[in-house]
Amino acid sequence: NAGVTQTPKFQVLKTGQSMTLQCAQDMNHEYMSWYRQDPGMGLRLIHYSVGAGITDQGEVPNGYNVSRSTTEDFPLRLLSAAPSQTSVYFCASSYSGTYKDAYFGPGTRLTVL
Amino acid sequence: SQKIEQNSEALNIQEGKTATLTCNYTNYSPAYLQWYRQDPGRGPVFLLLIRENEKEKRKERLKVTFDTTLKQSLFHITASQPADSATYLCALDWDSGYALNFGKGTSLLVTP
Repeated sequence: NAGVTQTPKFQVLKTGQSMTLQCAQDMNHEYMSWYRQDPGMGLRLIHYSVGAGITDQGEVPNGYNVSRSTTEDFPLRLLSAAPSQTSVYFCASSYSGTYKDAYFGPGTRLTVL
Repeated sequence: SQKIEQNSEALNIQEGKTATLTCNYTNYSPAYLQWYRQDPGRGPVFLLLIRENEKEKRKERLKVTFDTTLKQSLFHITASQPADSATYLCALDWDSGYALNFGKGTSLLVTP
């Protein structure tokens, strides 16, 4: 199993550009989520999904869109990047059963100029 | 609003000693609490989960306690080693467990 994979590892964008951060998992997990991590702020939940076709907002959803067309993939879209979106982004997945431990990807470091 | 608080100050301890990290929470009635480890430049890694009806949980040199009256969890690493140096994150459920809400983490440095 590859676990949770994220691409790209690094990305530099200009203000106003759009891009999609990719996340995939091969563990057949129903739950997937996106977090951003900023110095001094910890991990903050952006969006999450409880299964294909079902998504919901987390703590900091503004400026981000998600969709979940398959169990495996959960892309995060930035429609018009802003410097405030400079951060490290982590994708996570977990089973829907009684064990809620999450598996995290390696992260994408995004810089918006 | 729901809050999770971890000591923001780094914890420096000597190799061989026991490290104790604290996680306090408010406006939660959690069914369980989790601890994660994060190394620089990497994603968090799950360590332990403790349920509300469990007072203590152990895994090798790790021990977690959970006091739902005090709304506090303590995370202990016994016989600490320099390889234990990392940031440790406490997490509670977000929206009935569909995702996680994390504390800001406590940095642990174990010196030889």
